[in-house]
Parts: sequence; C-alpha cells; structure tokens
Amino acid sequence: QSALTQPASVSGSPGQSITISCTGTSSDVAIYNLVSWYQQHPGKAPKLMIYEVNKWPSGLSNRFSGSKSGNTASLTISGLQAEDEANYYCSSYAGSSTPVVFGGGTKLTVL
Amino acid sequence: EVQLVESGGGLVQPGGSLRLSCAASGFIFNTYWMHWVRQAPGKGLVWVSRINSDGSSTTYADSVKGRFTISRDNAKNTLYLQMNSLRAEDTAVYYCARGGRSAVAGHFDYWGQGTLVTVSS
Repeated sequence: QSALTQPASVSGSPGQSITISCTGTSSDVAIYNLVSWYQQHPGKAPKLMIYEVNKWPSGLSNRFSGSKSGNTASLTISGLQAEDEANYYCSSYAGSSTPVVFGGGTKLTVL
Repeated sequence: EVQLVESGGGLVQPGGSLRLSCAASGFIFNTYWMHWVRQAPGKGLVWVSRINSDGSSTTYADSVKGRFTISRDNAKNTLYLQMNSLRAEDTAVYYCARGGRSAVAGHFDYWGQGTLVTVSS
C-alpha cells in the first residue's frame, strides 16, 4: 500500500483537460509544499513534470499545472495530447526519517 | 547535459549480494544529495535510500535498513548501492536520481535509465 493515494486510472479525449488527485496525510502533503509529479512512459525512467506543488522544470510544457489544498494535491493537464498517455506519480517530502513518499500511480489514457 | 548511468544489476540468488553503481556527469556531483528509487515489475515507485553531498549522512527505507548501504565517491562522480541479504521482494528496476542541494527537498530532477535486479533461485 502506497503512502499517497492516487486514482488507478483516468481518461480524456484530445484537447480536453483532466485532473489527477493525490491524497496524503498530516505528515506529508498537508504540511510541506514539496509535492512533485512525474510522468513515466512504459519502459522509460520517470520524468519530473512539477515540483514544489506548482513549479515547472525549465523547458517543460505549461499544459501541466499543480495545486494543493489541505492534504490533497492535484495535477491538471490541459489540451490533452496523445503523447500525454502515460503513468503519473505524485510524491511528497515526508520528514527526515522517510524523506520521500510516492503515490501508487495513475494511468492516463488518451481516448 | 546531466547524465546518470546505472550499472551492476543482474540475477542473484536469495541471500546473495550485488553492488549497483551510478556514474554521474554534466553537473557538480559533490553539491547534490543523491537517491536510489526502485520499481518492482508492474508496480509503482518506491524510495530506497539517500546520501548527502559529502557522504556523511545516509537514510534508508525500513524495508532495506540493515541490508543495503548507500555510498558515493565524489572523486569518481559515482554513487553506489551495496545490497546484501537480498530477497525476492527486492526484485525491481533500481534508479539513481538527483535530489536537491539540501536535505529538505522533495523532488528528483534527473533520473538514470535504471538497472534491473532479479532475486530468484
């Protein structure tokens, strides 16, 4: 069982927007603005898409945006494209003993 | 260009040992925390271990504590993971990942391609 809870799957049509939620606890998401999101295509390494809740790594598309409310973080992808089909993982800083916790991953299908 | 290249994975029997390496280039290696993250076949990402920039501080997931040892050689720009007493549940792709410049940082901005460790008799 993962520390952070994500929906197993979401889907959307090209051009639409989708949102993936990531629910943590009062020990991680709720108290640290250090939530990150990763995209992983099959057989590939994860790729950082969002860090510190809503910041973009340089060169990344601003179709991806992040937010947080309480113990739930969200990733929104606007203008869905076929290449967005992948697995998405959230993570959060969780303190010095277990510094990083991940969600179980969400499979995004572009219809 | 930042590059992280893992090596050392393979097939090992339960109870055996393996040492993974991660060769880093394209950045000032000795200024970053480095991490190992693993992914069992068909499963999600799991954080394994981290080491600070000069190698003086390490942290481990409970599942590997006492069995795995993370280390680094800043002169060689290389990160290591010594894995002992391996179990079937350690079977996974192991990724090295670059953390931040401080202990309180929650993201990994660069990842290696991963190396597969299979524990089986």
